[in-house]
Amino acid sequence: DAGVTQSPTHLIKTRGQQVTLRCSPKSGHDTVSWYQQALGQGPQFIFQYYEEEERQRGNFPDRFSGHQFPNYSSELNVNALLLGDSALYLCASSLTGLAYEQYFGPGTRLTVT
Amino acid sequence: AQSVTQLGSHVSVSEGALVLLRCNYSSSVPPYLFWYVQYPNQGLQLLLKYTSAATLVKGINGFEAEFKKSETSFHLTKPSAHMSDAAEYFCAVSDPGAGNNRKLIWGLGTSLAVNP
Repeated sequence: DAGVTQSPTHLIKTRGQQVTLRCSPKSGHDTVSWYQQALGQGPQFIFQYYEEEERQRGNFPDRFSGHQFPNYSSELNVNALLLGDSALYLCASSLTGLAYEQYFGPGTRLTVT
Repeated sequence: AQSVTQLGSHVSVSEGALVLLRCNYSSSVPPYLFWYVQYPNQGLQLLLKYTSAATLVKGINGFEAEFKKSETSFHLTKPSAHMSDAAEYFCAVSDPGAGNNRKLIWGLGTSLAVNP
C-alpha cells in the first residue's frame, strides 16, 4: 500500500518565480491538506482540498493556490516567490470525516534565493 | 480559538530514562489531540491520538499519552528512551469548528535528544 508521495524532493527557485509542488495521497484517501513548515517551526496549515474544491484555508496570501484532480492527487502553486517562502512543504492525506487523522508525505524542500 | 503549547523546545534524556514531553491545549469544546514525530529530513508520522475514548492512549514505539481535562494536558511519555527516539515531536489539536474536515493546529515542537 503506497503511502503519500510528493515531488520533487528538493527545489531551488529565484525570487519572483513560480513553483508547482505535487502530491499523491495514500490509497483510499480523498482529502489532501498542505502545510508549510519553516525551519525550527511547526507546520502551518495552508489549505485543504476535497472533491476538487478548496474546503478550508489558513492564513496564507492568494499567491498560494492549489488544485485537486479527479484521482485525488493535488498540486500546490506558489507565485511571485519570496525569500520567506523557503520551507518544507508537507502534504497530508486523509479520509473524509476523519480529516484529523492525517498521513504525511516526506515533503518538498523549497529554497528561494 | 484552539491553541497548543509545548513546554520545552529541547529535551535531553539518557538512554533508558523516562521520556516526558509536555503539551497543553486550549479549547472551548472537547478536542481531539495528537502526537506526531518527525525524524530528520522526513515527514510527520502519527504516534497516537485521543478522540474521546479512553483517556490513556497507547501509540507506536512504546509511547503513550494521557488526556487530563482538568489540566488541559496531553503529555507524551515513554518509560525507557532509546537512541532511535531522537526526533522532533509535535502535539496537535483538531479544530472542531470545521465539521467533518477538521484541520490540525500545531504546537511548535519539542526536539528530543537521547544521550548514550
